[in-house]
Amino acid sequence: QKEVEQDPGPLSVPEGAIVSLNCTYSNSAFQYFMWYRQYSRKGPELLMYTYSSGNKEDGRFTAQVDKSSKYISLFIRDSQPSDSATYLCAMTNSGAGSYQLTFGKGTKLSVIP
Amino acid sequence: GAGVSQSPRYKVAKRGQDVALRCDPISGHVSLFWYQQALGQGPEFLTYFQNEAQLDKSGLPSDRFFAERPEGSVSTLKIQRTQQEDSAVYLCASSLVTSSYNEQFFGPGTRLTVL
Repeated sequence: QKEVEQDPGPLSVPEGAIVSLNCTYSNSAFQYFMWYRQYSRKGPELLMYTYSSGNKEDGRFTAQVDKSSKYISLFIRDSQPSDSATYLCAMTNSGAGSYQLTFGKGTKLSVIP
Repeated sequence: GAGVSQSPRYKVAKRGQDVALRCDPISGHVSLFWYQQALGQGPEFLTYFQNEAQLDKSGLPSDRFFAERPEGSVSTLKIQRTQQEDSAVYLCASSLVTSSYNEQFFGPGTRLTVL
C-alpha cells in the first residue's frame, strides 16, 4: 500500500459543476498538505497548501484536511474548461529537514464546455 | 522573474548510454529537489540538496543515479548505463529555505525515453 492514495480517474464534468477530489494517506507524521495542478507536458504548480487540519478557501478552490481520518479534499466550484488538468495531492512532515513531498498518483480532470 | 528551467526538455537514449540532465533553479533558492515521474504516476522523490550539500539521496533507485550541485546553484542528474525502466519525466524543484515549509517551484521536466 502506498503512503498516499488517490483515484486517478479520469473524471469528466460539465462546465459549472462542483468538482470534488480527494486523497487518503497512512503516515500520521504528515503535517503539510498541498494540491498541485499539472497541465500536460508541464511541471506541477502549487494551487493551495494547508497546515494540519482545517479548511482553506481561495477563490473557487477549497482545501480540507481531516487528520483524524487521514483524508484530504479539494473542491472546485463553478468549474471551467481551463481547470482541465491533472490534480496531484502532496504532503510532507515537519521537522524532516528536507521537506520532500510525497505525491498521490494524480486525478485527471476534464471540464466539458 | 525566471522560474526553474531544465534542459534538455526531451532526451532519447539507447539502453546502456549515459545521460546528464540539467536544472537551473530560481536564483537565491537554497533547496533543490529532484523527482521522477513515471507515466500516469505522481512524482517520486529522488534526492535533495541544501546549497551544495546533498543531504538526502534516499530516493535514488540505484547506484546508476548520481546528482551534484557543486556551486550551490545549477544541478545535474546523471544516469549511467540507462535501462528501459529509467524512462520517465525527471522534475527539478527549488525552494527558498528549509527552516519551515516553503513552496517548491517545479521546472517543466526532462522527458527521458530509453530505447
